[in-house]
Amino acid sequence: EAQVTQNPRYLITVTGKKLTVTCSQNMNHEYMSWYRQDPGLGLRQIYYSMNVEVTDKGDVPEGYKVSRKEKRNFPLILESPSPNQTSLYFCASSSTGVHGYTFGSGTRLTVV
Amino acid sequence: EDKVVQSPLSLVVHEGDTVTLNCSYEVTNFRSLLWYKQEKKAPTFLFMLTSSGIEKKSGRLSSILDKKELFSILNITATQTGDSAVYLCAVYAGNMLTFGGGTRLMVKP
Repeated sequence: EAQVTQNPRYLITVTGKKLTVTCSQNMNHEYMSWYRQDPGLGLRQIYYSMNVEVTDKGDVPEGYKVSRKEKRNFPLILESPSPNQTSLYFCASSSTGVHGYTFGSGTRLTVV
Repeated sequence: EDKVVQSPLSLVVHEGDTVTLNCSYEVTNFRSLLWYKQEKKAPTFLFMLTSSGIEKKSGRLSSILDKKELFSILNITATQTGDSAVYLCAVYAGNMLTFGGGTRLMVKP
């Protein structure tokens, strides 16, 4: 089944403790992206990647890092999480970008 | 900065009603406009529009794009309670996908 898989689905962590949210797609898509969704602010793009080793900042990249060492994986790294990074995170992938993205099921992150 | 605005913010209708959701945009280097439906979890794809005036249709849902006036509408006819969701409009411009704030639709039996 074609899908984008994120892990974990839920995570509660403490301020400053490094964490990684994994994302993997099995559709051989070139494009991958991370979004956060907050009430009243909608979905905002954090980082995106158009191919292996090609990444670029979205609208809200501060406090996040990504890497794209292989086509299928696009992990999101929070080196020193803070409470304002508490949010619902979505990973998404696309063959071209133009035709829209397929979203993962989301990761609900709480930083205390 | 690219901007996508949806209206109304929320809408309550009864089963059988027809609804029209609006999306306007101001972006640089427009490439496509997309509609998504979000229930409890991840957004799911509905339509992609790139050309003005060509209606996309899927069952009771349809959408059209006006590239001159920079807007799109999503119509849902004969609404059902299963249509209750947040409907998201997004514009792919340059290499980025920018979302509007969404329209929350509630369909009452």
